[in-house]
Amino acid sequence: QKEVEQDPGPLSVPEGAIVSLNCTYSNSAFQYFMWYRQYSRKGPELLMYTYSSGNKEDGRFTAQVDKSSKYISLFIRDSQPSDSATYLCAMSFYNQGGKLIFGQGTELSVKP
Amino acid sequence: GAVVSQHPSRVICKSGTSVKIECRSLDFQATTMFWYRQFPKQSLMLMATSNEGSKATYEQGVEKDKFLINHASLTLSTLTVTSAHPEDSSFYICSARTTRQGQETQYFGPGTRLLVL
Repeated sequence: QKEVEQDPGPLSVPEGAIVSLNCTYSNSAFQYFMWYRQYSRKGPELLMYTYSSGNKEDGRFTAQVDKSSKYISLFIRDSQPSDSATYLCAMSFYNQGGKLIFGQGTELSVKP
Repeated sequence: GAVVSQHPSRVICKSGTSVKIECRSLDFQATTMFWYRQFPKQSLMLMATSNEGSKATYEQGVEKDKFLINHASLTLSTLTVTSAHPEDSSFYICSARTTRQGQETQYFGPGTRLLVL
């Protein structure tokens, strides 16, 4: 069993839709949870990070963590074609600067 | 924002040759840099943690004699793939760790695509 599971997709949605991306994990020792966006042939870019259960909002993005269920989500409101990318969840035992365990990534396509 | 660069962005080499990839933090000092490998449609897998002035720490299953890492300064780490073979073809990404607003964070480079013929 992988430490972090993420549906690879691909996921295709129309412009303006609400997108829900999810990851599950098996190790309850993870403390920090991150979402990265990766465009084709580029390095990952940090979108959101959180270390507690609950919701964190930043513009059109909302990160949700449920430590009791070992489940994290990223919601994208009013999705745009420019949001088309691969979204990777990542987890760390200590902080965002430490060793990261990544999910497989979900490929998202937002159609105009 | 923090910028991390990698050079080259793409390299094609013959089997058996060695390839060096550079990772630089352009506007901050990084005592720690990480090297990841990413195969197509796969996740990033950590290969090693590189600390300035000391030996790198390799993840289980990564051959330290094949993937040589040198972190000679606070802004530069290099990864050398020795005697490269076609199965080493992959996307290699580095990240550099720093502290921003009291929070440790890491920034990723744009990646280097290696193709071994």
